[in-house]
Amino acid sequence: DAGITQSPRHKVTETGTPVTLRCHQTENHRYMYWYRQDPGHGLRLIHYSYGVKDTDKGEVSDGYSVSRSKTEDFLLTLESATSSQTSVYFCAIIRGTGTDTQYFGPGTRLTVL
Amino acid sequence: GESVGLHLPTLSVQEGDNSIINCAYSNSASDYFIWYKQESGKGPQFIIDIRSNMDKRQGQRVTVLLNKTVKHLSLQIAATQPGDSAVYFCAENRSGNQGGKLIFGQGTELSVKP
Repeated sequence: DAGITQSPRHKVTETGTPVTLRCHQTENHRYMYWYRQDPGHGLRLIHYSYGVKDTDKGEVSDGYSVSRSKTEDFLLTLESATSSQTSVYFCAIIRGTGTDTQYFGPGTRLTVL
Repeated sequence: GESVGLHLPTLSVQEGDNSIINCAYSNSASDYFIWYKQESGKGPQFIIDIRSNMDKRQGQRVTVLLNKTVKHLSLQIAATQPGDSAVYFCAENRSGNQGGKLIFGQGTELSVKP
């Protein structure tokens, strides 16, 4: 999966609890992305990062925050999880320079009860 | 409105036949397109890409065709195999800059009958 690991791979939590998902890459790539995937909506961008401490919002950023204090880690936080955030979350990276191709991690399945 | 979409949500083909998966886009400023394959329980996997200065690009058993006149993209898979069964997504880069955000279509599920 493109040198990307995501943790946890599965999580069940309750409404109102905080949740943090981790995306880890081992190749010092600059660009990292968080998506959610839901039936009928495809892949939608939540947040993305252009480098350490350099992040921006995607199309569905409400209820999510991110942090990137190290090149290799991009964290996605749900401050207070809601049932509408039940989804599969994918991290992606762009390898190297001079390309726009994104490569995806294996995903995290999150269920909010 | 702007969108990247697929004409057919499902496609069933016989093993050994060729498959064609279609995608429409509406932003004429988009200059980069990617096809991904996603198997059940896995992340999307890069198949092939094409830039807007090209009409056709070939890979191993796959060909992507780009028709900018009608804003249409297609993925052709030759001699389809059971391992090709998956959901296929097209994606569009609208920013034109490296690191630009991708917009994904809904996906087409390809089912290969033995």
